[in-house]
Amino acid sequence: DAGVTQSPTHLIKTRGQQVTLRCSPKSGHDTVSWYQQALGQGPQFIFQYYEEEERQRGNFPDRFSGHQFPNYSSELNVNALLLGDSALYLCASSLGWTAHDTQYFGPGTRLTVL
Amino acid sequence: GQQVMQIPQYQHVQEGEDFTTYCNSSTTLSNIQWYKQRPGGHPVFLIQLVKSGEVKKQKRLTFQFGEAKKNSSLHITATQTTDVGTYFCAVTGANSKLTFGKGITLSVRP
Repeated sequence: DAGVTQSPTHLIKTRGQQVTLRCSPKSGHDTVSWYQQALGQGPQFIFQYYEEEERQRGNFPDRFSGHQFPNYSSELNVNALLLGDSALYLCASSLGWTAHDTQYFGPGTRLTVL
Repeated sequence: GQQVMQIPQYQHVQEGEDFTTYCNSSTTLSNIQWYKQRPGGHPVFLIQLVKSGEVKKQKRLTFQFGEAKKNSSLHITATQTTDVGTYFCAVTGANSKLTFGKGITLSVRP
């Protein structure tokens, strides 16, 4: 039973470019959440997808957008990259989206913006 | 929204010593979760506490939720080098959005 997978593992982009990160949830999970983790910080919630819709969003600009597919996999898109977008991007999946549903994190995508 | 604080951000212990860290909030929490992130790794779920005064144990790790549900503690008995990493507490809101503390990074001297 595969856990949460993310691709790519590492990515280097330059300012102003656009990036797409991908996530496949743990088998049987239907909810995907995305987090940004800057160096030395705790993960910050970006947004959450359930039934192919964005259910809630954290304090991130519209440059950050996402999508969930019918097979529950998800993409995170970031436009007009800034140096400050350099971070570890984590995907977490759960079965359901209530407060008590345990979230399982993927290994993350390390994004470096030059 | 709900916020949790973890102070200090770093702690160094000698292997075999006990270690305790706290997670504090100014508001009553509905629940609290603890995660461990190894260097270069990703957060791994350890435990969730829901009830006031709840205590849960996992081998050498003991987790407690305060009676007022405003704080939580993690205690590690006889630390080992495998305990190295950053320990985060996190709280969920009305749904499963997690708000993390800044974490405490534990280093263990062999």
